[in-house]
Amino acid sequence: DAGITQSPRHKVTETGTPVTLRCHQTENHRYMYWYRQDPGHGLRLIHYSYGVKDTDKGEVSDGYSVSRSKTEDFLLTLESATSSQTSVYFCATRFTYESQETQYFGPGTRLLVL
Amino acid sequence: GDSVTQMEGPVTLSEEAFLTINCTYTATGYPSLFWYVQYPGEGLQLLLKATKADDKGSNKGFEATYRKETTSFHLEKGSVQVSDSAVYFCALTHRGSNTGKLIFGQGTTLQVKP
Repeated sequence: DAGITQSPRHKVTETGTPVTLRCHQTENHRYMYWYRQDPGHGLRLIHYSYGVKDTDKGEVSDGYSVSRSKTEDFLLTLESATSSQTSVYFCATRFTYESQETQYFGPGTRLLVL
Repeated sequence: GDSVTQMEGPVTLSEEAFLTINCTYTATGYPSLFWYVQYPGEGLQLLLKATKADDKGSNKGFEATYRKETTSFHLEKGSVQVSDSAVYFCALTHRGSNTGKLIFGQGTTLQVKP
């Protein structure tokens, strides 16, 4: 457990509205990730960050943006929510030690776009 | 590109039965392999991992062996319990990767009946 919290845990919103999800970690891990989980797809990477103000796209980044102004916080924004973005969103951090690495996941945010 | 394929679920077993969940992967080089477990309503937890060929990861009675010749990492447990009911994800990442991105299989749901 890497002390990862996500907020909100549940959200219902309407198509076309902006939505921001927050991930907060207490372990000072450099790397942070946003994944979405959908039936039949497992988890897919949306965006990731390798440091403050350093971010890059994952495989399903269209319609999403991220920001990281502090090591502990990683924000995911849906600029204009669509029904296809209804999903469960997970934040993760990466711990590395010598050649070993592990990703720790937050509890998830369940988002419903009507 | 890299990919992970898991056996389709759901898998339904009686308590104390033997469990195998198949996982095969396609990847360049020598990835690290992981099994994550997701209990109902929770985030993903690392169950076990292996970082090189012939390594065996184990935890909580679960085991998986990194088989490079068959590109597989099958999850096994000798005697399942009702509390093992969850979704299991196989995943890979490339050691030393700049991104640390995890590539997930689609997940296998396990239901254990008393």
